[in-house]
Amino acid sequence: NAGVMQNPRHLVRRRGQEARLRCSPMKGHSHVYWYRQLPEEGLKFMVYLQKENIIDESGMPKERFSAEFPKEGPSILRIQQVVRGDSAAYFCASSPSRHTGELFFGEGSRLTVL
Amino acid sequence: DQQVKQNSPSLSVQEGRISILNCDYTNSMFDYFLWYKKYPAEGPTFLISISSIKDKNEDGRFTVFLNKSAKHLSLHIVPSQPGDSAVYFCAASGGGADGLTFGKGTHLIIQP
Repeated sequence: NAGVMQNPRHLVRRRGQEARLRCSPMKGHSHVYWYRQLPEEGLKFMVYLQKENIIDESGMPKERFSAEFPKEGPSILRIQQVVRGDSAAYFCASSPSRHTGELFFGEGSRLTVL
Repeated sequence: DQQVKQNSPSLSVQEGRISILNCDYTNSMFDYFLWYKKYPAEGPTFLISISSIKDKNEDGRFTVFLNKSAKHLSLHIVPSQPGDSAVYFCAASGGGADGLTFGKGTHLIIQP
């Protein structure tokens, strides 16, 4: 499959647990972006990473959220001590270079916090 | 502070007619604009784009118009087809930010 792969597609967590969302970019893409979509809202930028580096995390909440994109393996968005307000769809996108404009999106991971 | 605005949450158009989706932006540093289409439970898919140095880009049934002085762009779909029913997001790049800045989307409903 040549597209952006995200897993899990659906994740249910209780308040206080941790959520880990994974994203494998398209083949040949080394730039990864995470977006969050709350109900009835557009997609909000969270973080932009290249391999092993966080380039821009201006959209990430200051606490409980972290992201990484290791040299080997997928990018991971980690949410610690989840709260109900974290319930959303989290989309990963990739691109071959930094300023190409077009991003290629995965199908998203839907987090539900009980 | 929303830099990309789509003021119509929904739009209903009859099959075969023209659909016009609108988008306004506030950041004059944006230099590239895109439209994405999204079906429920799927990720956004790229539809069409336009550079800020152009005022029109056409691809089949889809045309995007850019009016830089008004900071306004629109997506025209003609003729509209049932499969066009989806949420359409306007997005912009540049302006000193990484990634894309999205509007809230317009839900287009094509009626038979």
